[in-house]
Amino acid sequence: QSALTQPRSVSGSPGQSVTISCTGTGSNVGVYNHVSWYQHHSGKAPKLIIYDDTKRPSGVPDRFSGSKSGNTASLTISGLQAEDETDYYCCSYAGSYSWVFGGGTTVTVL
Amino acid sequence: EAQLVESGGGLVQPGGSLRLSCVASGFTFDDYAMFWVRQSPGKGLEWVSGISWNSGSVGSADSVKGRFTISRDNAKNTLFLQMKSLRPEDTALYYCAKRNSGSYGFDVWGQGTMVSVSS
Repeated sequence: QSALTQPRSVSGSPGQSVTISCTGTGSNVGVYNHVSWYQHHSGKAPKLIIYDDTKRPSGVPDRFSGSKSGNTASLTISGLQAEDETDYYCCSYAGSYSWVFGGGTTVTVL
Repeated sequence: EAQLVESGGGLVQPGGSLRLSCVASGFTFDDYAMFWVRQSPGKGLEWVSGISWNSGSVGSADSVKGRFTISRDNAKNTLFLQMKSLRPEDTALYYCAKRNSGSYGFDVWGQGTMVSVSS
């Protein structure tokens, strides 16, 4: 149950796009279409922004999009806004009723 | 509005035990799988344990297997996490979370309850 690999940080200017990668293995990301992404402001409850690799819950802006290729999933934030500056985590189902999170990525808006 | 409220955290000595509770409201509790996720100070989110709607499927992270037990009481809309043989590395904010309908994500989260393991 090793954690999924995410970059520690990414940054971009307002209006730009940033992409966060999430690399797993053929036992989790690569075999299940069940990667989810969470936005987490310190001191608050995490918020689901992408589920099942590419789906967006109602109410989440379409600036947030998910994709996947092989063992790597990605979250793209388009039209970056100041309020997007926080931590983001990926999570994948890993079989046998288990899940695994990534180490988290801090997005900085320059 | 769906809501989850955790309780039961506190300071405990290494080797001690604690039971966390999570009371659900605003949704049909026994329709959904439920989970515990934790965040240690300065670290990322870690999936701890999960239980299906009818307790028929249960899973735990290797780091807590054999020490933590997840359970639920659907009549009381309550999720539990029984923790024993606690270690300093179990110190964390423990969140309760609900599975998203028809998917494998977690769409409702509580505010968390803090567990500190120290002598």
